Amino acid sequence: QKEVEQDPGPLSVPEGAIVSLNCTYSNSAFQYFMWYRQYSRKGPELLMYTYSSGNKEDGRFTAQVDKSSKYISLFIRDSQPSDSATYLCAMSAVSGYSTLTFGKGTMLLVSP
Amino acid sequence: ETGVTQSPTHLIKTRGQQVTLRCSSQSGHNTVSWYQQALGQGPQFIFQYYREEENGRGNFPPRFSGLQFPNYSSELNVNALELDDSALYLCASSLKGYYGYTFGSGTRLTVV
Repeated sequence: QKEVEQDPGPLSVPEGAIVSLNCTYSNSAFQYFMWYRQYSRKGPELLMYTYSSGNKEDGRFTAQVDKSSKYISLFIRDSQPSDSATYLCAMSAVSGYSTLTFGKGTMLLVSP
Repeated sequence: ETGVTQSPTHLIKTRGQQVTLRCSSQSGHNTVSWYQQALGQGPQFIFQYYREEENGRGNFPPRFSGLQFPNYSSELNVNALELDDSALYLCASSLKGYYGYTFGSGTRLTVV
């Protein structure tokens, strides 16, 4: 079993839809949870960062962490065609200098 | 504030050859990490450098080596290239003790 599992998709939705992206993990030492967005031929860009369990909201994006279930989610409201990208979840046990463990990424396609 | 710059953007090498990839960190960042991203996969941690010393290493063989320079720029060297080394190589810089890795756009290495 991989440390971080993420459905690769693709996930196709119409513009304006609410998108739900998810990851599960097995390492209970993970405490820092991130979502990155990666456009084609680009490096990952940090979208959301959450420490431990709970919710965090930033504009149209909401990140949720449930450590008891080892499950994290990213919700995108009012999805736009410009949101079409691959979304990677990443986790680490220690802030800052620790390594990141990534999921495979979910490809999201938002059609106009 | 400049981001992370990687060079070259694309590279084609022959099996058995050696390659050097370069990375300039974001201004103010003192830690550099390298990741390998195979097609359709999430980035995999190769190693990290802090204060010019290797500070952690993933499950990669010794033919993957690196350097960090006093200006915090970095090199990734790969000897005896294999076909499976074909991937996007990502450099990420950060400030030790803080989250928020900034990734470069990567170097696409093709081994033929």
